[in-house]
Amino acid sequence: DAKTTQPPSMDCAEGRAANLPCNHSTISGNEYVYWYRQIHSQGPQYIIHGLKNNETNEMASLIITEDRKSSTLILPHATLRDTAVYYCIVRVAVNYGGSQGNLIFGKGTKLSVKP
Amino acid sequence: DAGVIQSPRHEVTEMGQEVTLRCKPISGHDYLFWYRQTMMRGLELLIYFNNNVPIDDSGMPEDRFSAKMPNASFSTLKIQPSEPRDSAVYFCASSFSGTRKNIQYFGAGTRLSVL
Repeated sequence: DAKTTQPPSMDCAEGRAANLPCNHSTISGNEYVYWYRQIHSQGPQYIIHGLKNNETNEMASLIITEDRKSSTLILPHATLRDTAVYYCIVRVAVNYGGSQGNLIFGKGTKLSVKP
Repeated sequence: DAGVIQSPRHEVTEMGQEVTLRCKPISGHDYLFWYRQTMMRGLELLIYFNNNVPIDDSGMPEDRFSAKMPNASFSTLKIQPSEPRDSAVYFCASSFSGTRKNIQYFGAGTRLSVL
């Protein structure tokens, strides 16, 4: 799987949008971009994923550049409960080769939402 | 849905003792994953199962570690004998291949301390 680069930490004011960047310059054509987060003392939680189009769900929006070499996770109105480590992961398409494969977690970005 | 259920949440044991961690995946999910998280190494995959069959155990650190999945609703990770360096948080995750979204759902983890 391709590797990703994320800033180690970011701050965001409560109520403002949090924009978390991720570089994945070696991403392959069949690899998706997944975002997970891990709130302190909890298991990782799926947020969103996409291939090349921008995606939005109830938690966040995912913006993928046209060349797919980078992406941004957007939390539109960050709350204190969004303080967590956010992981950007790229991996092969679902059920590729009949195998789910695994998630390779890097160090992620520690987002601190401040009042 | 109750989500992925792990037990115990905390385990404290002495070096040399046998430790058994338990996991109940989400009903209907056909993949199950065991991860370990430490400060030094982050989150790393130990082993995963598909339809109760171990697919990839290359992440299992050594022969002291073993994992089983006797049925679709239960899996165990056993460490025998345990050592202080096994102290970590162990996560179980499950996913369903039918949606083709390849989303893994994590349990709350078991925090293991080996004295």
